[in-house]
Amino acid sequence: DVVMTQSPLSLPVTLGQPASISCRSSQSLVHSDGNTYLNWFQQRAGQSPRRLINKVSYRESGVPDRFSGSGSGTDFTLKISRVEAEDVGIYYCMQATHWPRTFGPGTKVDIK
Amino acid sequence: EVVLVESGGGLVQPGGSLRLSCAASGFTFSTKGINWVRQAPGKGLEWISYISTTGSSIYYADSVKGRFTISRDNAKNSLFLQMNSLRAEDTAVYYCATSWGLDYWGQGTLVTVSS
Repeated sequence: DVVMTQSPLSLPVTLGQPASISCRSSQSLVHSDGNTYLNWFQQRAGQSPRRLINKVSYRESGVPDRFSGSGSGTDFTLKISRVEAEDVGIYYCMQATHWPRTFGPGTKVDIK
Repeated sequence: EVVLVESGGGLVQPGGSLRLSCAASGFTFSTKGINWVRQAPGKGLEWISYISTTGSSIYYADSVKGRFTISRDNAKNSLFLQMNSLRAEDTAVYYCATSWGLDYWGQGTLVTVSS
């Protein structure tokens, strides 16, 4: 199975400051169709997960443009350009290239 | 608007069975593969199963293989998860989520396995 790791696991951030989460996979996430199926999810307290980013860098409709995804192969990053209070939650990366699908352990973002 | 509503959760004894349902609306159900994902209390997300649009392709996580069965009824816009031989470690909120990329999620249903 593809192992997904994230760092840091806890990220206290000052409002208005940037934040960055790293996600690494144990195997390349490039699919045979040429796409890289690396997604990012946000889960606020008491809510279901919400997909923010698909295929590394494609922001979902309605997701603020302060969120951006980048990376390739096995190394990926989610960046928040200026953290707002509503961004508090746990962020998960997930690979959808290989079976079984696997998630990272999650990164808890909160306000300092 | 895509809406997914899970149901069927509850308290069950170890070794028991439970059948979860996911009712879908707001999209053409038969055109999307669907997943089950679970989250144990205070823990992260665990993908457990996927079924393709027609049911011709099915995948399971090793943790549930042989005990859980995913199925769907496209005429009723519904997804199911038959869970047998339940264990304490199956205690979790179970979510259904659409497509390969898990683009839409339901609100989840809690399954508690305890004596």
